[in-house]
Amino acid sequence: GENVEQHPSTLSVQEGDSAVIKCTYSDSASNYFPWYKQELGKGPQLIIDIRSNVGEKKDQRIAVTLNKTAKHFSLHITETQPEDSAVYFCAAYNQFYFGTGTSLTVIP
Amino acid sequence: DTGVSQDPRHKITKRGQNVTFRCDPISEHNRLYWYRQTLGQGPEFLTYFQNEAQLEKSRLLSDRFSAERPKGSFSTLEIQRTEQGDSAMYLCASSSTMVYENTGELFFGEGSRLTVL
Repeated sequence: GENVEQHPSTLSVQEGDSAVIKCTYSDSASNYFPWYKQELGKGPQLIIDIRSNVGEKKDQRIAVTLNKTAKHFSLHITETQPEDSAVYFCAAYNQFYFGTGTSLTVIP
Repeated sequence: DTGVSQDPRHKITKRGQNVTFRCDPISEHNRLYWYRQTLGQGPEFLTYFQNEAQLEKSRLLSDRFSAERPKGSFSTLEIQRTEQGDSAMYLCASSSTMVYENTGELFFGEGSRLTVL
């Protein structure tokens, strides 16, 4: 069946360093790969997404890369700031399947 | 505030009781999704609607769960004969998506937290 695996489950970085979170998926029919940020007590909010016809997308300090052959995609956050601290989720397969989340802590 | 509202925000009930949650999506959004989220986990898909039609239901959705979107606007999720394992955050999301396209940003509400005693 469909599966989305996300790693790592927790990540601590020093302010200003980069953070990378990776997801793998199993369904080759997936063609849309979003990343959501969830802050405490709130619902997830989209931060960046990528479609299967491109390999990379960037929005200021955030980027997503996609390797369709290997069925994995990654979130890259550069120059991390304390306000980046949150839980991040990837999703695939029409957003019916979400990863288990990565709790990112940015240490000032 | 994403524009998706959920009610109630918190519900405490005793095992065996029925509960109902309501979701009001962004008005022009034609798709509405329900997810369940437990601590330390990602959102778990339950069901979604395209306008008033329920197009997909998770195999995990037992027959105690039922969802409706009668006029293609707000939606309700009812859980009958609640069990302690139903304790979770129930998230609603909406999106504006063409029928032939299964992509696009989901706008989530802040969720309805259910505690079953």
